[in-house]
Amino acid sequence: AQSVTQLGSHVSVSEGALVLLRCNYSSSVPPYLFWYVQYPNQGLQLLLKYTTGATLVKGINGFEAEFKKSETSFHLTKPSAHMSDAAEYFCAGAPKNTPLVFGKGTRLSVIA
Amino acid sequence: DGGITQSPKYLFRKEGQNVTLSCEQNLNHDAMYWYRQDPGQGLRLIYYSQIVNDFQKGDIAEGYSVSREKKESFPLTVTSAQKNPTAFYLCASSIGRGWSNQPQHFGDGTRLSIL
Repeated sequence: AQSVTQLGSHVSVSEGALVLLRCNYSSSVPPYLFWYVQYPNQGLQLLLKYTTGATLVKGINGFEAEFKKSETSFHLTKPSAHMSDAAEYFCAGAPKNTPLVFGKGTRLSVIA
Repeated sequence: DGGITQSPKYLFRKEGQNVTLSCEQNLNHDAMYWYRQDPGQGLRLIYYSQIVNDFQKGDIAEGYSVSREKKESFPLTVTSAQKNPTAFYLCASSIGRGWSNQPQHFGDGTRLSIL
């Protein structure tokens, strides 16, 4: 079965530092992959998605992610963290025509 | 603006009581989903519906029921058989009738607690 693993339940960075949130997937076929962000007591908002084609995907708010098939990874990065980036981030994915599977989430804290 | 509306935002359930969570969308999406979110657990799929009058169980359907009588609406009932209902419940929708590369759009959730 498809699984999505997020490494690190909590990541803390200084304001202005690089943000790196890790996501690995297990799938025998290339999956569709998504990153979502959740602010407290709200639903999830789509940051970016990978379907096919270019492996470097740019999203909203300066985030991007790179699909690496050889490493079965889809890590999320942002060059410079802002205080407003503090939230919980979810990676999700699935092969075509199968239910979407979510990782357990990574809480990002940004220190001033 | 198009979107998904969940109500109420907070809900309390007494022992032995059924409660219904509302989810309405005006995005004209075919597919709708219900997820349960517990701290540190991510999102787990309860039920999904890809077309009116049809729905399928997800990974944790026991103790829950749904209906899909209208395209816009997908209410979730938490029955008394669900022994641990305290959680944050999220409704979502997406374009298309199959699991696809289309992203899911989420409501703002309902937090259910036991009295």
